[in-house]
Amino acid sequence: ILNVEQSPQSLHVQEGDSTNFTCSFPSSNFYALHWYRWETAKSPEALFVMTLNGDEKKKGRISATLNTKEGYSYLYIKGSQPEDSATYLCASVYFNKFYFGSGTKLNVKP
Amino acid sequence: NAGVTQTPKFQVLKTGQSMTLQCAQDMNHEYMSWYRQDPGMGLRLIHYSVGAGITDQGEVPNGYNVSRSTTEDFPLRLLSAAPSQTSVYFCASSYSWTGETGELFFGEGSRLTVL
Repeated sequence: ILNVEQSPQSLHVQEGDSTNFTCSFPSSNFYALHWYRWETAKSPEALFVMTLNGDEKKKGRISATLNTKEGYSYLYIKGSQPEDSATYLCASVYFNKFYFGSGTKLNVKP
Repeated sequence: NAGVTQTPKFQVLKTGQSMTLQCAQDMNHEYMSWYRQDPGMGLRLIHYSVGAGITDQGEVPNGYNVSRSTTEDFPLRLLSAAPSQTSVYFCASSYSWTGETGELFFGEGSRLTVL
């Protein structure tokens, strides 16, 4: 069993604040790193799929970076909005098994 | 396009009963998987399949059985339900079983309570 850790567990920010979360994972035999957004009463939906060291992805105000050598990924949200409130999950993939972190719960206050 | 469909959405069982959670996808994905989600923990992999006729164990396989007779369907069987199996279960599928070229698509979840 592999340990994927996310920090912080929860985050409360004001509308307009920028924020970032961390996902750390074992770097040996690594295939890919996924980020998912999970809103209450819904199912997780993919934000990014990342594979290469130094990979960077961006979707609107949300971006992510990946360091496969040291085993971490950052997710950034610029100018948080109330609709960004959700739990953000990362999953590290090793050969055909997905290992999820416990998530960072973001609450953005108007 | 339905995506990933799970049934039932809710189920209450008594200890010792058996049941099957159904999962079907219409995206022609080779990779399918089952997870359980418990408070304070991330999604944990129960079983997965990389194609029809091929299944393997994940992190927490004990007490669960799977089969994959078609590309579309991947049912999860609880052989003799225990209170420790009270959880929310998610089925997910992907084009890529290495996670490199495709993300997981999730079903809506099935909330199971074992009394």
